[in-house]
Amino acid sequence: DARVTQTPRHKVTEMGQEVTMRCQPILGHNTVFWYRQTMMQGLELLAYFRNRAPLDDSGMPKDRFSAEMPDATLATLKIQPSEPRDSAVYFCASGLGTGNSNQPQHFGDGTRLSIL
Amino acid sequence: AQSVTQPDIHITVSEGASLELRCNYSYGATPYLFWYVQSPGQGLQLLLKYFSGDTLVQGIKGFEAEFKRSQSSFNLRKPSVHWSDAAEYFCAVGAMGYQKVTFGTGTKLQVIP
Repeated sequence: DARVTQTPRHKVTEMGQEVTMRCQPILGHNTVFWYRQTMMQGLELLAYFRNRAPLDDSGMPKDRFSAEMPDATLATLKIQPSEPRDSAVYFCASGLGTGNSNQPQHFGDGTRLSIL
Repeated sequence: AQSVTQPDIHITVSEGASLELRCNYSYGATPYLFWYVQSPGQGLQLLLKYFSGDTLVQGIKGFEAEFKRSQSSFNLRKPSVHWSDAAEYFCAVGAMGYQKVTFGTGTKLQVIP
């Protein structure tokens, strides 16, 4: 089965360090999402891309977070500088989006991030 | 704006008993509705989806859900729960033409022997 691949699976780092999380969407999918999951806030949409172009990043703290798709097979989410409150599980999901349909999203297994 | 409410944070059922997880949505037009399941340490897995047509949809692992427009609900059901069904379940709603969906806060299911 095709899967969304996220790396690393776990990351522990100190406050102030740069963190980069990577996502390889399912081949052929043209839409990529980044979510953050915490106990307090649940699942939050940070940003999403279609055909590598950002469609919505309103859920993302702009001062320290950035999301890009250098190519169709790689999406990145960066935090610089990181803070303890960024500790969470970050999920990437991908899907095939067309104008008049909503195909379901397929999720990766997440990156569990701990900022000390 | 679209929204999803899952009124039950935590549900406990006995193995073999029936299950119903509630989901209410708010959306002005015909919604696209999904149920996902998340096991510990893993991402969300799609159980089933409703786009149009038959209001009773079948999913994987023996789950089904019924879309009731009059009640703005999309409840998930399973006739006989297995211990392996213990997980967290998320309902989600999306708009036609977009893949952006809004997730509910989840219902954690515990299955006891």
